Amino acid sequence: EPEVTQTPSHQVTQMGQEVILRCVPISNHLYFYWYRQILGQKVEFLVSFYNNEISEKSEIFDDQFSVERPDGSNFTLKIRSTKLEDSAMYFCASSTGGRRTDTQYFGPGTRLTVL
Amino acid sequence: DAKTTQPPSMDCAEGRAANLPCNHSTISGNEYVYWYRQIHSQGPQYIIHGLKNNETNEMASLIITEDRKSSTLILPHATLRDTAVYYCIVRAHRGSNYKLTFGKGTLLTVNP
Repeated sequence: EPEVTQTPSHQVTQMGQEVILRCVPISNHLYFYWYRQILGQKVEFLVSFYNNEISEKSEIFDDQFSVERPDGSNFTLKIRSTKLEDSAMYFCASSTGGRRTDTQYFGPGTRLTVL
Repeated sequence: DAKTTQPPSMDCAEGRAANLPCNHSTISGNEYVYWYRQIHSQGPQYIIHGLKNNETNEMASLIITEDRKSSTLILPHATLRDTAVYYCIVRAHRGSNYKLTFGKGTLLTVNP
């Protein structure tokens, strides 16, 4: 069964450093998403991406964040200058965006720890 | 997206049916009911979704009331591996609101 994969599973970085989180969505999916979950809190939407551009973003997704689909398979989330409060699980998701069903399938997540 | 209300926690005996309720009294006509679960900080796992008819798949059944203001997710024979946080999410399929808005969900604990 196709699944969303994410790398790395755990990333430790120093405050102020740049990090890139990588995702490989399901191959025939057209919509891509990033969510995050701070420890003990809800899963929060960050951004959705379709046709090589951002279709929606939350207020969390400020100028420190960017997304990119550099090739036909990867979808990345970049945090330019990490802060302590960016420590969280980051989940990538993808969906077909079809007319009748738009189920999002999530990856296993990357745990980002900012020291 | 319409707001949902779920009990914060429920218990279920292994092998018995787990019935997880969700209220969504402000649901709109074009909004679907989705259920996901999250096992201990893993990625949310899709379970099932429906619009107005009852739905069943290999994981669960979804019962939606006729007025669509509430629904119940049924795990017919709960196992210890079904212990997770279950999220009921209401979302439109069309328009700009493709995002999923997660609440706190229901922590289902399946006991031996």
